[in-house]
Amino acid sequence: DQQVKQNSPSLSVQEGRISILNCDYTNSMFDYFLWYKKYPAEGPTFLISISSIKDKNEDGRFTVFLNKSAKHLSLHIVPSQPGDSAVYFCAANEKLTFGTGTRLTIIP
Amino acid sequence: NAGVTQTPKFQVLKTGQSMTLQCAQDMNHEYMSWYRQDPGMGLRLIHYSVGAGITDQGEVPNGYNVSRSTTEDFPLRLLSAAPSQTSVYFCATTRDEYTEAFFGQGTRLTVV
Repeated sequence: DQQVKQNSPSLSVQEGRISILNCDYTNSMFDYFLWYKKYPAEGPTFLISISSIKDKNEDGRFTVFLNKSAKHLSLHIVPSQPGDSAVYFCAANEKLTFGTGTRLTIIP
Repeated sequence: NAGVTQTPKFQVLKTGQSMTLQCAQDMNHEYMSWYRQDPGMGLRLIHYSVGAGITDQGEVPNGYNVSRSTTEDFPLRLLSAAPSQTSVYFCATTRDEYTEAFFGQGTRLTVV
């Protein structure tokens, strides 16, 4: 039973535009969420996180939004850059449960 | 400061062979975990540890064994390799449940 879901396996966005990656979860006990970025042949690297007591956290071009009532979070990247092309995973803190990932491709 | 080191980077095993994937961290973190990554499946937790002497099963523990005798090391043992264990394995470490995890570079394992 997938407790963290990323329903879009892939996403293509023009350079300079906004990229929006979505994530849904089912376990209401999760209280801390993280986004990771992964390049081929490398381990995932931490991008940004959000606590359940907040609904938004911003770090430069990256913003994460949390909607607890909908059990939904999203990652916004603006403006998108070619170096953002990677696989993005959302995760929840209980046993660090990961979603299946979304492959983001930024088109120059 | 190496962070999280996994060895080997690549390995080919024959069905039925056993081996140990090594993971070492120099960050003095209590939490360590093993994941496998398969196409379309994301990262699935195999085993994790919240400190030396304490381990627990994750989502896909069958066929794998772990122990945690020191804070620094968390080896993953494949008892009798099967083709279904062909995957990329990642080790991760984190200070606690409310901070980010740091990952090793991964071990690509092929079982033939």
